[in-house]
Amino acid sequence: AQSVTQPDIHITVSEGASLELRCNYSYGATPYLFWYVQSPGQGLQLLLKYFSGDTLVQGIKGFEAEFKRSQSSFNLRKPSVHWSDAAEYFCAVYGGATNKLIFGTGTLLAVQP
Amino acid sequence: GAVVSQHPSRVICKSGTSVKIECRSLDFQATTMFWYRQFPKKSLMLMATSNEGSKATYEQGVEKDKFLINHASLTLSTLTVTSAHPEDSSFYICSAPREYQETQYFGPGTRLLVL
Repeated sequence: AQSVTQPDIHITVSEGASLELRCNYSYGATPYLFWYVQSPGQGLQLLLKYFSGDTLVQGIKGFEAEFKRSQSSFNLRKPSVHWSDAAEYFCAVYGGATNKLIFGTGTLLAVQP
Repeated sequence: GAVVSQHPSRVICKSGTSVKIECRSLDFQATTMFWYRQFPKKSLMLMATSNEGSKATYEQGVEKDKFLINHASLTLSTLTVTSAHPEDSSFYICSAPREYQETQYFGPGTRLLVL
């Protein structure tokens, strides 16, 4: 069965520091992978997605993610975090046969001044 | 800009009443929409898939008679929480795929509080 694991429940970084949020997936075929961000009390905004091709994908707000098939990972990165990046981040995999998005449990990012 | 809207953004109701939440795709047609429920500090739980012109598909454990879904048109799906109880209090989010079925765009969510 498809699943997504985000090992870090909560991460705190200093403003200007680099960021990496981890995501591991379980999926039998080539996965469609997504990162979404949710600000408090808001819906989800799509940051980036991977379907095929270049394994390093660029997203909005300066985020990028790298698909590593050998590690079943799709980690999200940002070279320099801004205070406005404080939010919850969700990794998701699309289950083609089920036509559903399967979400990880999320990582809450706090940014210290 | 937003491509999926939800109304209302928040609602407070008395126990035993019914509440309707609307989800609209703003500039595209969506034959399929999805309804999620999110508990505090938790991930999104898919409740059901709303299908235009046919019955909704519910996930295991979701009460069909409790959470009524109607996909009235290609741009509107509604979720009605019937005979709401305090345990139904939650954040409800809808989504719709736009260009591709795999990529979903999410509404801003509806905060429901049942007293």
